[in-house]
Amino acid sequence: IVLTQSPDTLSLSPGERATLSCRASQSISSNYLAWYQQKPGQAPRLLIYGASSRATGIPDRFSGSGSGTDFTLTISRLEPEDSAVYFCQQYGRSFWTFGQGTKVEIK
Amino acid sequence: QVHLVQSGAEVGKPGASVKVSCKPSGYTFIDYFIHWVRQAPGQGLEWMGRINPKSGGADYAQKFQGRVTMTRDTSLTIAYMEVSRLRSDDAVVYYCARESYGSGNYYTFDFWGQGTQVTVSS
Repeated sequence: IVLTQSPDTLSLSPGERATLSCRASQSISSNYLAWYQQKPGQAPRLLIYGASSRATGIPDRFSGSGSGTDFTLTISRLEPEDSAVYFCQQYGRSFWTFGQGTKVEIK
Repeated sequence: QVHLVQSGAEVGKPGASVKVSCKPSGYTFIDYFIHWVRQAPGQGLEWMGRINPKSGGADYAQKFQGRVTMTRDTSLTIAYMEVSRLRSDDAVVYYCARESYGSGNYYTFDFWGQGTQVTVSS
């Protein structure tokens, strides 16, 4: 299963809403769709699991939604520290795949 | 508090092997699968495979079958990932990560190591 994220880059101002898309090449279980944040020089951090559940310690401005082949990560009010690359990830048939990432830049 | 600590940067010659270690703490080692994910500079994340620390059994992405070996030492509570027949495109950052389990969170990576840079150079 191929995950395609869009856009490649998103440039927004603090306080704005960011909407990131992840599209799967075939339908996947929303139970097995996750989102990660990665800042330069750091390991990825789990944000969202099961398509819409926030991981421990993740601020409520991060939310996930979607089903089937289309999934969305929304950052409701951008903070400067949200500048990062965001990856979606899916599990299926003993194989894990990631999207290519969306870079969020804060103006 | 869960932590995964990886070994330091490695340099390997083309055609040789490198072995990276990952030492988790803060939980029972044999209770969670350990995965290995790699990342080229400025690129995305690539899943390589996982090991069951309890049984020692490993599953590999097809791309890495026969060239990557994942092992563990239960007495030292360390997981290892060895890449053999090194090529220039193996010069990337390698991460270990714990597979989540429980509370509705399955098949994600809830904790990560800090990453190990591998350089391939003669």
